[in-house]
Amino acid sequence: EIVMTQSPGTLSVSPGERATLSCRASQSVGSKLAWYQQKPGQAPRLLIYGASTRASDIPARFSGGGYGTEFTLTISSLQSEDFAVYYCQHYNNWPFAFGGGTKVEI
Amino acid sequence: QVLLVESGGGVVQPGRSLTLSCEVSGFTFRRYSMHWVRQPPGKGLEWVAFISSDGTKKYYAESLKGRFTISRDNSKNTLYLQMTSLRTDDAAVYSCARPGEFTDAFDIWGRGTMVTVSS
Repeated sequence: EIVMTQSPGTLSVSPGERATLSCRASQSVGSKLAWYQQKPGQAPRLLIYGASTRASDIPARFSGGGYGTEFTLTISSLQSEDFAVYYCQHYNNWPFAFGGGTKVEI
Repeated sequence: QVLLVESGGGVVQPGRSLTLSCEVSGFTFRRYSMHWVRQPPGKGLEWVAFISSDGTKKYYAESLKGRFTISRDNSKNTLYLQMTSLRTDDAAVYSCARPGEFTDAFDIWGRGTMVTVSS
């Protein structure tokens, strides 16, 4: 069973700054890695799949990278609407698994 | 408009059973595999179960095997999750999710239904 570990748990940044979130898999997941954004009271929203492909209607300031066991989500210039919790997820084999999340706060 | 609407949540006593439903609209349900995901209050996301588009393949989180059963009725555009021997740590918002057109990642989510396990 693959375990997904995200860091940091909380990231404090100012609007306009760059944010880099990390996700590590306990074994290789290739590029089968997704990132989701979740705001309070809302369903998660798919941001990135295939480790680096932006989902539909996702702004270009969101970018994903990595392969195998180490992945990053970068938000190039934080907007007010980007303050949320971000989860990574592998879908390489069963069982799928999510990371514990990174809260991006002001 | 693509929609996933969960129902069936509520308060249940420990040891009892509950069945959740996820009714879909706006897409051809029988073409897509589906998932259940849960989120305990104030905590992170946990993948629960998968079912293939024709219902022949099912996978579960290791910790839930034997207690939870995923199923679907393609004629009713509905996904189900039967939960038995419920425990207090099963309390969560349960959401259904659909993979994308070009990815197995989940691009459509329902809002979820809350399950509370309490005596």
